[in-house]
Amino acid sequence: DTAVSQTPKYLVTQMGNDKSIKCEQNLGHDTMYWYKQDSKKFLKIMFSYNNKELIINETVPNRFSPKSPDKAHLNLHINSLELGDSAVYFCASSYGATGGEQFFGPGTRLTVL
Amino acid sequence: KQEVTQIPAALSVPEGENLVLNCSFTDSAIYNLQWFRQDPGKGLTSLLLIQSSQREQTSGRLNASLDKSSGRSTLYIAASQPGDSATYLCAVRPGNQFYFGTGTSLTVIP
Repeated sequence: DTAVSQTPKYLVTQMGNDKSIKCEQNLGHDTMYWYKQDSKKFLKIMFSYNNKELIINETVPNRFSPKSPDKAHLNLHINSLELGDSAVYFCASSYGATGGEQFFGPGTRLTVL
Repeated sequence: KQEVTQIPAALSVPEGENLVLNCSFTDSAIYNLQWFRQDPGKGLTSLLLIQSSQREQTSGRLNASLDKSSGRSTLYIAASQPGDSATYLCAVRPGNQFYFGTGTSLTVIP
């Protein structure tokens, strides 16, 4: 009965590769997010989708491309991976774009060699 | 742009003590504020959500207050336990997104 799930949990890859991280929520929420947590543990939002529409797109390299096939899924594809992309990526969801409580997935630890 | 600060960055207390964690934000135009805990290597667990119209929320030994006009929130933990050891994060929501603080790392010593 996992609420927000992400796969994979760990991802180790070489520079220049392309990889995807998947996120699914079974809470019936209509808004989903991707965050990046850096080595200093600071959380910064990358993208947000509300009802499958992109509503937040922070200053993120265009090598990162989110895709929301439906309200319950938000995937993150990363092209031409760089060393600086190494971080923990968290998916989250909430009900409503402004007022709802936010729930987080367990995170995906990406290591680029 | 909204900036969120948490003080102290780290706190160590003996078991059983009551403690207060602080969160301050620069723009009082927020919809809500949410407190989370993060255990090492894990995701964030929601603790309390305070809507902008509320002054406080309580859950068990936790009590969170919100003073929007002064841009402050506190998380009060009563009778701390070793299991409370974690990093505590606050996040404010001025619109579509959340802005997170830098966190307070709490260690409760048995």
